[in-house]
Amino acid sequence: KAGVTQTPRYLIKTRGQQVTLSCSPISGHRSVSWYQQTPGQGLQFLFEYFSETQRNKGNFPGRFSGRQFSNSRSEMNVSTLELGDSALYLCASSPRELTLNPDTQYFGPGTRLTVL
Amino acid sequence: DQQVKQNSPSLSVQEGRISILNCDYTNSMFDYFLWYKKYPAEGPTFLISISSIKDKNEDGRFTVFLNKSAKHLSLHIVPSQPGDSAVYFCAAEMYSGGGADGLTFGKGTHLIIQP
Repeated sequence: KAGVTQTPRYLIKTRGQQVTLSCSPISGHRSVSWYQQTPGQGLQFLFEYFSETQRNKGNFPGRFSGRQFSNSRSEMNVSTLELGDSALYLCASSPRELTLNPDTQYFGPGTRLTVL
Repeated sequence: DQQVKQNSPSLSVQEGRISILNCDYTNSMFDYFLWYKKYPAEGPTFLISISSIKDKNEDGRFTVFLNKSAKHLSLHIVPSQPGDSAVYFCAAEMYSGGGADGLTFGKGTHLIIQP
């Protein structure tokens, strides 16, 4: 099975612009989660989508948003970019059915966003 | 407030010996724990996990131990190999039935295996 893919791998933007990142989960996985990794804060949970619905959200401002399509692919959007948004953005997928059993999340390679 | 802590930023171990990576957590609601390995410029790779109903899980050279009363878990790698050199992240999750709340990660421990 192919792993989680993310595009683009690298991106340079300027302050005030907006950006859209894309994630294709492992085939058959319906849950997609997004994380931000920075040197200061480490890995932090942004949000999770399951069956096209945002199911959970981390502690990030409304400038960070996402969506999921019917084929489980997901996009993440950041509007009005700030210098502090420079980070590695990671996408993770899991089967994550609505059961009491947790599933492991599998990560993609990430998109390195640099805001100038 | 950091809910998952890895107090050793780095650890150096000789090849062939045991590597022990430690992780502490403060939130007693966490009920699923995972270890990930990460190389620079790559996403984290899943290693091993443990549910809060267990105290040990093994997978090949990797064993994770969970001590719920102490809110502590550890990852043992035996024997350590050069390819194990990477940053290891401990992660925890509240699986609140019907959907998890996202993984909470520690800051990572850089494991260096010396020949």
